[in-house]
Amino acid sequence: QVQVQQWGAGLLRPSETLSLTCAFSGESFTDHYWSWIRQPPGKGLEWIGDIIHSGTTNYNPSLKSRVTISVDTPKNQFSLKLTSVTAADTAIYYCARHTTYGVAPFDPWGQGTLVTVSS
Amino acid sequence: DIQMTQSPSTLSASVGDRVTITCRASQYISNWLAWYQLQPGKAPKLLIYKASSLESGVPARFSGSGSGTEFTLAISSLQPDDFATYYCQQYNSYPPTFGRGTTLEIK
Repeated sequence: QVQVQQWGAGLLRPSETLSLTCAFSGESFTDHYWSWIRQPPGKGLEWIGDIIHSGTTNYNPSLKSRVTISVDTPKNQFSLKLTSVTAADTAIYYCARHTTYGVAPFDPWGQGTLVTVSS
Repeated sequence: DIQMTQSPSTLSASVGDRVTITCRASQYISNWLAWYQLQPGKAPKLLIYKASSLESGVPARFSGSGSGTEFTLAISSLQPDDFATYYCQQYNSYPPTFGRGTTLEIK
């Protein structure tokens, strides 16, 4: 049974850096891609980017200049950093596993972390 | 980016009803489409992948159909736990993109 745990700071001020970590257990970490996805209040889902165990990443072009996703394979963890946040980055942030290699459906997902950007 | 257009944005129905949600892709995506259920405070749940394949553990009252650019999620005999928000997602190409969601409300 795959278990997902995610954590990170929930309240940021404008211009700060968002930092979240996701940990998976129960299955091989190296057999999958891993993604971050967010949902602003009252809006739809937006894919942020993904990573595989080797460290190869793909980013959404809309966020690419501010996003870094990194991986710690021995710990079965991967992390998200988003720089220079504004109120528009307020959202529930989810981590999720790809069901197959490459672009794929996401399952399972983490419970989500609400990140609020406010002065 | 491939744009995904979902309709309706809100749907009111009663327990026992059958409902359908439509998702249209801005370009051909074959059957590379998934459907998710989101409920407040819960992890999002994958329902359907490859347009019509039911994810393990998902009740058979959920079904998906379509290919190319037009897709449908159907829920037969609505149960109380089905009142949630549903999203489609294309995974034909990067970046993966989602519809804007359909909120299923109790009438």
